[in-house]
Amino acid sequence: GEDVEQSLFLSVREGDSSVINCTYTDSSSTYLYWYKQEPGAGLQLLTYIFSNMDMKQDQRLTVLLNKKDKHLSLRIADTQTGDSAIYFCAESIGPGNTGKLIFGQGTTLQVKP
Amino acid sequence: EPEVTQTPSHQVTQMGQEVILRCVPISNHLYFYWYRQILGQKVEFLVSFYNNEISEKSEIFDDQFSVERPDGSNFTLKIRSTKLEDSAMYFCASRELAGDEYFGPGTRLTVT
Repeated sequence: GEDVEQSLFLSVREGDSSVINCTYTDSSSTYLYWYKQEPGAGLQLLTYIFSNMDMKQDQRLTVLLNKKDKHLSLRIADTQTGDSAIYFCAESIGPGNTGKLIFGQGTTLQVKP
Repeated sequence: EPEVTQTPSHQVTQMGQEVILRCVPISNHLYFYWYRQILGQKVEFLVSFYNNEISEKSEIFDDQFSVERPDGSNFTLKIRSTKLEDSAMYFCASRELAGDEYFGPGTRLTVT
């Protein structure tokens, strides 16, 4: 079946790196995404990785994909208080990149000054 | 930068009433979606829409739900007879033929 799991909570100090982990079950996933949700707001697309890639870096964000273990991680370097939010991992199910998204339950990142 | 918009931002309705949630997807996008997020729970897929028809729907999307693209810009979700358990944040999303999925800010539906 389709399932995405994340740890629920992560607390870090400002300036440290944050690593948010995610596991998924569907091996046919083509794209995997990270979305950010600030309190009371919608889902903001942060970054994504195509399933045939191992790593993608985008400024302070690094996405690592271990397809064998179906494990995805998001590393935020030099975490700032403005990074405090809920981070959702999602996999795209369906042909190409046109299918529905299956979300994890979200990881709340708390950044302490 | 183009964005998905949704109205209203918050809708309060009584149980049994019909509600229509409205979305304006990004103009050149071809795929449209509705998701919902019950407070404290996962974001759940409801329905996808392409080429003026439903392409996939989840078990949640029963006969009480319907979607429509009444004109070239709007995409609506109708709930015919709301239940308490329909209270949630409803997100609309859209994407190009093969591109990233962009979400609107959501409509918070409260059924009393």
